This record gives sequence, structure tokens and C-alpha cells, in this order.
Amino acid sequence: AQSVTQPDIHITVSEGASLELRCNYSYGATPYLFWYVQSPGQGLQLLLKYFSGDTLVQGIKGFEAEFKRSQSSFNLRKPSVHWSDAAEYFCAVSGGGGADGLTFGKGTHLIIQP
Amino acid sequence: NAGVMQNPRHLVRRRGQEARLRCSPMKGHSHVYWYRQLPEEGLKFMVYLQKENIIDESGMPKERFSAEFPKEGPSILRIQQVVRGDSAAYFCASSQLADTQYFGPGTRLTVL
Repeated sequence: AQSVTQPDIHITVSEGASLELRCNYSYGATPYLFWYVQSPGQGLQLLLKYFSGDTLVQGIKGFEAEFKRSQSSFNLRKPSVHWSDAAEYFCAVSGGGGADGLTFGKGTHLIIQP
Repeated sequence: NAGVMQNPRHLVRRRGQEARLRCSPMKGHSHVYWYRQLPEEGLKFMVYLQKENIIDESGMPKERFSAEFPKEGPSILRIQQVVRGDSAAYFCASSQLADTQYFGPGTRLTVL
């Protein structure tokens, strides 16, 4: 069975500092990988996705993620965070060519210090 | 182009009542997924439907829960005889090509 681990429950960074959120997955074949962001009381917004090809993918709001097969990781990065980036971030994996239901990590709560 | 629509946004039910949650996918999307978000459990997949077909219901509780996606109209997640443990946020997602899922704003169900 597939699984996703987000080791950091909470992360606090200063506004303007760089950010890296960790995600490790377990899946037997080539995974479809996603990062979503959720603001309080809201739905999930897709930040970026990886299916194949270039292992460094660019997303919305200045986010990027790098797929590393050897480490089973798909870490999310941003060079300079803004106060509006404070939210819950979820990494997810899907098999079946992306058609299966998503398996989510438990999320990382990002706090931005002024 | 409207996104995924869910209604109601908030639903309050007493124990034993029925809850009906509706989801209208994005235009042109024929794949619908339902997820439940519980505070201590995170987001869990429940069911995957295409028009008039249930493709994967491996995440659905065996009793009291059902889902449909008729030829016409929204997808419905139905919970019969609700209990306090059903209180959660329920999210619907839709997909055009069964690869990338786009989520709705969710329905927050509170069972009194």
C-alpha cells in the first residue's frame, strides 16, 4: 500500500526566509506526486504536481518541488516566504496513472514570523 | 470557469438523521472523488466515481455511507443515521482525465 510521510508537523520561518517542507512517499511503481495548500476553513489548492520528466517542477505562488527517486522524496521549496503563505501544506501520492484516490500525508502547518 | 462546487458549506444534523452532501464537478470533468478530513486522522480517500458508476469505494465505511454520481446532476454523498463520529469536513474533488484532482471548498458536518 502506498503511504506519505511529512515528518514536520509544524514549521516556523521568518518572513523573507527560505522554506523547505519535507515529503517522503512509499509506492511500488512510478508515483504521481502532488502538493496542495489549505488555508483555515478552506478547500485544497493545487500548488504543483509531478508525473514524469524533469524532476524539478515549478508551481504557483513561487513554489517548486524536486522529485528524488533514490530518496523517495518530493520536497517543497520556496526561496522567500510571505506572510500569506501561512497555511497547512499536504503532500499526496497517487498510483494507477493518477486515477486512484490520493493518499495524503498528515500535513505540515507553516507559521510565518514577522 | 467555475471551480468545484459543494453545498451546503455547513450542515448540522442530530444523531440519527440523514446527511446529504452535494458536489458539482468542474465543467468538463467526469471523475469525482470524495474525501473526509478528521482532525486527528488527516485527509482520507473515500470513493471514486464516474458518471453512473462507482469505480473505487475502498475507503467508504461499510455501513450507513453511500455515494452516487448520476447521469444528470451533482454527485451525492449520503450518510444515514449520523453519529457524532461522522462530524468532519467532507471534500469533493473532480478530474478531467483522471490525473489531477481539483478540490471544492468542502462541507463541514456537525452532528449534535
